[in-house]
Amino acid sequence: GAVVSQHPSRVICKSGTSVKIECRSLDFQATTMFWYRQFPKQSLMLMATSNEGSKATYEQGVEKDKFLINHASLTLSTLTVTSAHPEDSSFYICSATTAGGPHEQYFGPGTRLTVT
Amino acid sequence: AQKVTQAQTEISVVEKEDVTLDCVYETRDTTYYLFWYKQPPSGELVFLIRRNSFDEQNEISGRYSWNFQKSTSSFNFTITASQVVDSAVYFCALRLIQGAQKLVFGQGTRLTINP
Repeated sequence: GAVVSQHPSRVICKSGTSVKIECRSLDFQATTMFWYRQFPKQSLMLMATSNEGSKATYEQGVEKDKFLINHASLTLSTLTVTSAHPEDSSFYICSATTAGGPHEQYFGPGTRLTVT
Repeated sequence: AQKVTQAQTEISVVEKEDVTLDCVYETRDTTYYLFWYKQPPSGELVFLIRRNSFDEQNEISGRYSWNFQKSTSSFNFTITASQVVDSAVYFCALRLIQGAQKLVFGQGTRLTINP
């Protein structure tokens, strides 16, 4: 149980285009989802926290107009990188957590974005 | 604010050696969780352990063991009789029990086990 999927697993897009990444909780309802970014050989950095039905909370330094997050249902959150640039190339990982209990975070497999 | 430090950027050992990965954390809160995750080359994070601040008992799971010491704010991870499959990046992380559920990760330690 507690499986989180991400789609696509890998995407290449041209500079200036937008790309959407989906994060789904497959067998549980995720009240909160988190989006992380990981540059090569670096740690995971939290970008934003999203709660179903409300606006995402972005970490300091993360442009909310560039990284659009939508958490429209209890099983789906999307991250849209708008007007992507090569410096946005990174590994994006989502995690999901449920209400109640120790709020364990379940991680998706990640999406590798390359902007050319 | 919370902070997790993994001072060892890279460790390389020969198979069957024991290896300890260090983790030091900072928080003013008294209630928190500590985690270890493994990230193999595929990139997917693999959960290894969660420990809460109330429980300082050491834990052993097969070849893995964890030493939690609140007095030194450390949560070290030891792999006994290392194997090539243990090669990965290992992250230590902290999360407060109350309030925001944000995970704060350390910088990670890249462990290479050579045959």
